[in-house]
Amino acid sequence: AQSVSQHNHHVILSEAASLELGCNYSYGGTVNLFWYVQYPGQHLQLLLKYFSGDPLVKGIKGFEAEFIKSKFSFNLRKPSVQWSDTAEYFCAVNENTGRRALTFGSGTRLQVQP
Amino acid sequence: DAGVTQSPTHLIKTRGQHVTLRCSPISGHKSVSWYQQVLGQGPQFIFQYYEKEERGRGNFPDRFSARQFPNYSSELNVNALLLGDSALYLCASSSTSGSYNEQFFGPGTRLTVL
Repeated sequence: AQSVSQHNHHVILSEAASLELGCNYSYGGTVNLFWYVQYPGQHLQLLLKYFSGDPLVKGIKGFEAEFIKSKFSFNLRKPSVQWSDTAEYFCAVNENTGRRALTFGSGTRLQVQP
Repeated sequence: DAGVTQSPTHLIKTRGQHVTLRCSPISGHKSVSWYQQVLGQGPQFIFQYYEKEERGRGNFPDRFSARQFPNYSSELNVNALLLGDSALYLCASSSTSGSYNEQFFGPGTRLTVL
């Protein structure tokens, strides 16, 4: 069975600091990878996704993520965070054939201090 | 454009009762998935429906059931409620059931079991 690990449960940064959130998955086959964000009081929204091709993907609001197949990782990055980036971030995986359900990590709560 | 809608927003039930949660997908979307999000954890897959047929089921007991209607809306039913069923129940819709398709999430129904 797939599993997704997000090792940073709670991250506190100051505005303009750089961000990197870790995501590792366990599945030997070909996967699709996603980062979702949940702003306070709002529903889950897709930040970015990787299906194939260039392992460096760019998403909305200046976020990017790099897929490293050999490390089973899909870390989320942003060069300079803003107070408005305060939210919970979820990494998710599904197999690109067969089971289509998303398997989510436990989430990382990001708090950006002004 | 209307996003995924869910009703009710909040619900309080007692142990042993039954509950029905409802979801309307984005117009034109034919696939609906249900997820359970317990406080402090990522969403966990319960069911996926496409064209009124069950296409996937997560590791949940038979007390959980769902169906999809001809208009693609969906219901999630939970029988014999337990305290541990207290969670945010999320509905997500996508245009098809394929794994490449982005899932759009609704705001969720907060279920509290007393």
